[in-house]
Amino acid sequence: EVPLVESGGGLVKPGGSLRLSCAASGFTFRNAWMSWVRQAPGKGLEWVGRIKSSSDGGTTDHAAPVKGRFTISREDSKNTLYLQMNSLKTEDTAVYYCTTNSGSDRYFDYWGQGTLVTVSS
Amino acid sequence: QSVLTQPPSASGTPGQRVTISCSGSSSNIGTNYVYWYQQLPGTAPKLLIYRNNQRPSGVPDRFSGSKSGTSASLAISGLRSEDEADYYCAAWDDSLSGWVFGGGTKLTVL
Repeated sequence: EVPLVESGGGLVKPGGSLRLSCAASGFTFRNAWMSWVRQAPGKGLEWVGRIKSSSDGGTTDHAAPVKGRFTISREDSKNTLYLQMNSLKTEDTAVYYCTTNSGSDRYFDYWGQGTLVTVSS
Repeated sequence: QSVLTQPPSASGTPGQRVTISCSGSSSNIGTNYVYWYQQLPGTAPKLLIYRNNQRPSGVPDRFSGSKSGTSASLAISGLRSEDEADYYCAAWDDSLSGWVFGGGTKLTVL
């Protein structure tokens, strides 16, 4: 059973915005650190960023290519993770996966099935 | 260009043992744990090895991981057709303050 379901992907023009959601179940979401990882078509994996659990401060870290454009947030009452993407570029085209970050070293454990974001005019 | 370096491809025949390498630096593999992920065609990545050489429950003991210095390896013994997939290594990078991945290795079972 996959406890993570992403949604919100689609086609958007360069410079546009999109918000992805990740619905979690089967674990205590409020205690979990979460990440977004993306994969451009035919390419490898790239970490987008992460958010700590609320009890650990709920702060975020974003990778350099998306810093200032993307924002990760969470709504524990809805067991949902978000990725707000602004000023989108064609190179942001990718499948976006949400993942749990497990253990003290916060590695990627469970993965969702991914949602495709296509940035094109 | 990926921070961690993997060979783009590897191959083997059923029953063989294959290894996939992952090379990094002192700020990532040299200091932190290495993780391996298996991505079957058309599916999401799946955790295969964590903390250099630990297998999650359900992962066959045909898969093993090791680390030495700034390099790591994934070994697959008793190769099977269902092992045909892309394999990625990952590690936290202290200099970048973020997770880095290898470019992935496509394993073909001949």
